[in-house]
Amino acid sequence: EAQVTQNPRYLITVTGKKLTVTCSQNMNHEYMSWYRQDPGLGLRQIYYSMNVEVTDKGDVPEGYKVSRKEKRNFPLILESPSPNQTSLYFCASSSPGVYNSPLHFGNGTRLTVT
Amino acid sequence: AQTVTQSQPEMSVQEAETVTLSCTYDTSENNYYLFWYKQPPSRQMILVIRQEAYKQQNATENRFSVNFQKAAKSFSLKISDSQLGDTAMYFCAFKGAGKSTFGDGTTLTVKP
Repeated sequence: EAQVTQNPRYLITVTGKKLTVTCSQNMNHEYMSWYRQDPGLGLRQIYYSMNVEVTDKGDVPEGYKVSRKEKRNFPLILESPSPNQTSLYFCASSSPGVYNSPLHFGNGTRLTVT
Repeated sequence: AQTVTQSQPEMSVQEAETVTLSCTYDTSENNYYLFWYKQPPSRQMILVIRQEAYKQQNATENRFSVNFQKAAKSFSLKISDSQLGDTAMYFCAFKGAGKSTFGDGTTLTVKP
């Protein structure tokens, strides 16, 4: 089954404790991206990657890191999480021909930083 | 940078009736796509419909259709014969050169 898999679904952590949210897709998509969703603010792009070893900042990259060492994986790293990073996070991917393909989303990760 | 605006935070409609969700956007790009996504309470993001900016014909998918006005930078979603399962948050999205920008969403409630 074609899918984007995010783990974990729920995560509660404390300020300053490094964490990684994993994202993997099995559709051979070149494009992958991370978003955060906050009430009243829609989805805001954190980072995106057009291909392996190519990453770019989105609209809200501060406090986040990403890497794209393999086509299928695009982990999101929070080196020192803070309470303002409490949010719902989505990973998404799309097929080559960036413009005309929709995003395929993971099921989301609910992160709480205390 | 592009912006996407959904001016209706909440809407409601009676079952079987028609409702239109508004979306406007701003961009200097010529080559882009527009999408509507649905997010039910399960929080999954589901593609509803897409529109190619260079096509004048409005996209249609069963009960869902769009009114795309390129000059006005408007991209509204019409849902006909609304069903209870259409209750969800709907996001308008712009996809250009690499980045995707989403509106803040419209919460639609279909009432029995």
